[in-house]
Amino acid sequence: DAKTTQPTSMDCAEGRAANLPCNHSTISGNEYVYWYRQIHSQGPQYIIHGLKNNETNEMASLIITEDRKSSTLILPHATLRDTAVYYCIVRVGSSNTGKLIFGQGTTLQVKP
Amino acid sequence: DVKVTQSSRYLVKRTGEKVFLECVQDMDHENMFWYRQDPGLGLRLIYFSYDVKMKEKGDIPEGYSVSREKKERFSLILESASTNQTSMYLCASSPDSTYEQYFGPGTRLTVT
Repeated sequence: DAKTTQPTSMDCAEGRAANLPCNHSTISGNEYVYWYRQIHSQGPQYIIHGLKNNETNEMASLIITEDRKSSTLILPHATLRDTAVYYCIVRVGSSNTGKLIFGQGTTLQVKP
Repeated sequence: DVKVTQSSRYLVKRTGEKVFLECVQDMDHENMFWYRQDPGLGLRLIYFSYDVKMKEKGDIPEGYSVSREKKERFSLILESASTNQTSMYLCASSPDSTYEQYFGPGTRLTVT
């Protein structure tokens, strides 16, 4: 599975868009980009995933560059409740184990 | 919305006790997982199941067993609790894509 690189921490003003980058330069053609977040003392929360097209759901948008070597998770109107650690994961679409491995992630602090 | 529930948020048990952690999902997902999460060690997969009565070992199955008698329920059993099993236990379920996992709130287990 391709390695991902994320900034350690980011700040965002409440009500503004939060743009969280992820580099995955060694991604292969059949690997998807997944995003999760974990709010303190809670279980991880699935946000979104994509292969090569941009994706949007009720929580966020995922923008994947044309060469697929990087992606950006966008929270369009960040709230204080979006303060969490955000994890970018690259995985083949399905597997025999489904084991999730989180790296260090980006700690997003949304400020009033 | 997918809902994954776990039987307890906090649990305190004594060394040597048999401990049952219950997980129920309401989305008719085929796949269910048990992880533990410890500071500095991230998520570690204990067991997973792809169907009723089927189970597969994850990375750290020693000291644990599981049961899946019904599709919606996946139980984790600590046969004889030990202090090194003090941890946050997280249950997850997923539809056909095994990396799109939905987590419960977690059970923080303390073994004294």
